[in-house]
This record gives sequence, C-alpha cells and structure tokens, in this order.
Amino acid sequence: DAGVIQSPRHEVTEMGQEVTLRCKPISGHNSLFWYRQTMMRGLELLIYFNNNVPIDDSGMPEDRFSAKMPNASFSTLKIQPSEPRDSAVYFCASRRTGSGNTIYFGEGSWLTVV
Amino acid sequence: RKEVEQDPGPFNVPEGATVAFNCTYSNSASQSFFWYRQDCRKEPKLLMSVYSSGNEDGRFTAQLNRASQYISLLIRDSKLSDSATYLCVVTPGAGSYQLTFGKGTKLSVIP
Repeated sequence: DAGVIQSPRHEVTEMGQEVTLRCKPISGHNSLFWYRQTMMRGLELLIYFNNNVPIDDSGMPEDRFSAKMPNASFSTLKIQPSEPRDSAVYFCASRRTGSGNTIYFGEGSWLTVV
Repeated sequence: RKEVEQDPGPFNVPEGATVAFNCTYSNSASQSFFWYRQDCRKEPKLLMSVYSSGNEDGRFTAQLNRASQYISLLIRDSKLSDSATYLCVVTPGAGSYQLTFGKGTKLSVIP
C-alpha cells in the first residue's frame, strides 16, 4: 500500500520566493496534518484538516503560510514569501478518524531557504 | 515547563546493553501516550503505545506513571538497528488530533 506521498523531497530556494509543498494522504484517511521539524523546536503541528476542512491552524506561524486541501487526496502548504528561518523539514501525515492516534508520516520535504 | 520533555542524549550504549529513556509531561489531563521512532533523515514511525498497566513488545517495554507524569521506554539487548531518535508523544485523549511530541532522545548502539 502506498504511504503518504510528499513532494518535493528537497528544495533549495532563495529568500522571497514562493514555496509550494504537496501531499497525497493515504487513501481512505480523512485526517491530514502538516508538521514542521527543526532542531530547536522539534515537531510542531502547523495545521490539521478533517474531511478536507481546516480544523486547527493555530500552529501556522504567520500570514506567509497557507494550506489548502481541495479534495480528500491532495493538500498543499504554501510559503510566500519564504525566509531563511523557514528552513526545516515539513512533514505531512494522515490518519483515519476512529483508528486511534496512530498517524502515518510522509518522508518529508526538506526545505532550505538561502 | 515544556509540555513534553525528554533528555536529548545522545545515549551511546554497546550492543547487548539495556537502556532506558524517560519522558515527562506537564498536562495532568493527558490520556494517551506513545513512543515513536525516527531514523536519521527519515520520518517518525509509531513504535508502541503506552498503556496504564505497562506493556511489552519483544525487547521493548513501555511504562506509564500518572502520579509523577512520566512515561518510560526500556530497550533490552540493544541492537545496532535500534540506533535512532525516540520521540515521546502525549495526547489529551484517544482519537485526539493534538499530539504533542517531545524533541526526542537520540540513541546510538555501538559495536
């Protein structure tokens, strides 16, 4: 079975550029999470979708970050404009509601903003 | 006090050793607890849930102490393949989306 699929796996971009990260959750999963991981702060929840609806976006750092989930099989996280402090690993994860707390992570998108 | 605290390590142990990690949490209302494993440059994966009565999965034993608000992970007979970062995860309850991750404890098992 395919797991959570993220793209791009690695991206290096210049400050001020727009970055779009993509995620395809596991088929049948109706909850989707975007996390950011850094050495300093660890794993932080950015936004949580349930049935394609954003439920909690309190972790989104600022207006430069936005996330969408137009359908059950696709989500994007956009950073515009990007800044060097956005450099991190961005993980998408999914879960089937009612299956407990086990969430399945994608392999991550490694973002470097220079 | 941070919500979930872990000793970052690294713990460097020889093969065959027994090693234990602790994790403390600040929210006394927390109901569900987990250990995730994260290999270098990989994504976190669920290692095991932590039940009130304690539970064991092969060489791994997890325990919960609600009174002191900590959970532990014991690894017996360490293997080289156990080298990874172990993340403690706490949630308000079963099915909650609010998983709070510790920053992890790094384990290196050396030959």
